[in-house]
Amino acid sequence: QQQVKQSPQSLIVQKGGISIINCAYENTAFDYFPWYQQFPGKGPALLIAIRPDVSEKKEGRFTISFNKSAKQFSLHIMDSQPGDSATYFCAAGGGNKLTFGTGTQLKVEL
Amino acid sequence: DAGVIQSPRHEVTEMGQEVTLRCKPISGHNSLFWYRQTMMRGLELLIYFNNNVPIDDSGMPEDRFSAKMPNASFSTLKIQPSEPRDSAVYFCASTWGGGSYNEQFFGPGTRLTVL
Repeated sequence: QQQVKQSPQSLIVQKGGISIINCAYENTAFDYFPWYQQFPGKGPALLIAIRPDVSEKKEGRFTISFNKSAKQFSLHIMDSQPGDSATYFCAAGGGNKLTFGTGTQLKVEL
Repeated sequence: DAGVIQSPRHEVTEMGQEVTLRCKPISGHNSLFWYRQTMMRGLELLIYFNNNVPIDDSGMPEDRFSAKMPNASFSTLKIQPSEPRDSAVYFCASTWGGGSYNEQFFGPGTRLTVL
């Protein structure tokens, strides 16, 4: 049972462009929404996270937009760079554990 | 800071063999998670320990999988007997505290191939 749906599965963006990854969740008990970044051969690492009491959180070039009524949240990467090429996972948490999306492979081309 | 340590990094075995994956969490962390990553299903939580006690093992696929945490600095995930469909990357992660709100620190993973 997939409780967090993530799209697209893969994404190619030109350097300097905006990368957008979307996630939707079903369980209204979720109250914590982190994004993890994974480089090849490495484990995922926390990138940015948001609580449902705010609609947006920005850290540098990375922004999370959150729509509680629609049960959707998204990651925006502004001025995308080749070094941003990685797999991105959204997740939703409530209680003791996180439920992850299936991941998005982002490639930023020169 | 050594981070989360996993061993082996790669494991190739034949169907029916026993496989044991090992994890050393970050010192001071009291929560430990085992995940499985595949292209089709992404990151799936298998089991979660808090203070060395299994709290949620609802993600363990079947009885062939078992996990232990004998002390705060060591955990194992065992598959017996292994099957080709178990081929995946297995991650261990640790954090402080029992909730989902704290950053989870992932190890480098063990890539398992079952022939």
